[in-house]
Amino acid sequence: GDSVTQTEGLVTVTEGLPVKLNCTYQTTYLTIAFFWYVQYLNEAPQVLLKSSTDNKRTEHQGFHATLHKSSSSFHLQKSSAQLSDSALYYCALSRRSNNRIFFGDGTQLVVKP
Amino acid sequence: EAAVTQSPRSKVAVTGGKVTLSCHQTNNHDYMYWYRQDTGHGLRLIHYSYVADSTEKGDIPDGYKASRPSQENFSLILELASLSQTAVYFCASSDQQGVYEQYFGPGTRLTVL
Repeated sequence: GDSVTQTEGLVTVTEGLPVKLNCTYQTTYLTIAFFWYVQYLNEAPQVLLKSSTDNKRTEHQGFHATLHKSSSSFHLQKSSAQLSDSALYYCALSRRSNNRIFFGDGTQLVVKP
Repeated sequence: EAAVTQSPRSKVAVTGGKVTLSCHQTNNHDYMYWYRQDTGHGLRLIHYSYVADSTEKGDIPDGYKASRPSQENFSLILELASLSQTAVYFCASSDQQGVYEQYFGPGTRLTVL
């Protein structure tokens, strides 16, 4: 089956410092794409990044991620965290066969002054 | 822009009562989904549908029913609400093109007392 693993439930970082959220996956099926969703407090999840190309860096809103199929990873990074980045982040993958998206358990990012 | 709306936005129900959560989308998407969100468990898929008048079980369907009377509308029904069903419920939609990105509604906060 499919699974997405986010090892950190909570990441705390000081404003201005780099941040990395880890995401690894397992799949035995043909996958379509990989996502990072962000959910701000009391809002709905929304796509932050998406990628379907191996070894290609994808960027949006200062965040970037590179899909590495060789290591089954899609880590999210930012060089300088901002207070407004505090949110819940989900890593996810979509599968061709039934139009489903599989989500990790989420990582809560807290950026402190 | 994609539009998914949910009603009610919050609800307090009594144990053993019937609860219906409604979702409406104007994206012209074929696929619709119901998730529940609990702290520490991320987003878990309850039911989904890829065509009107048909629904499929997700990962945690027990205690829930779903209804898709039209392409635009998708309801989640709790016939006998229980304390354990207190959670935030999200509806989402997606199409069969591209990478199957899902667009989420604003969520319904359900409290069962």
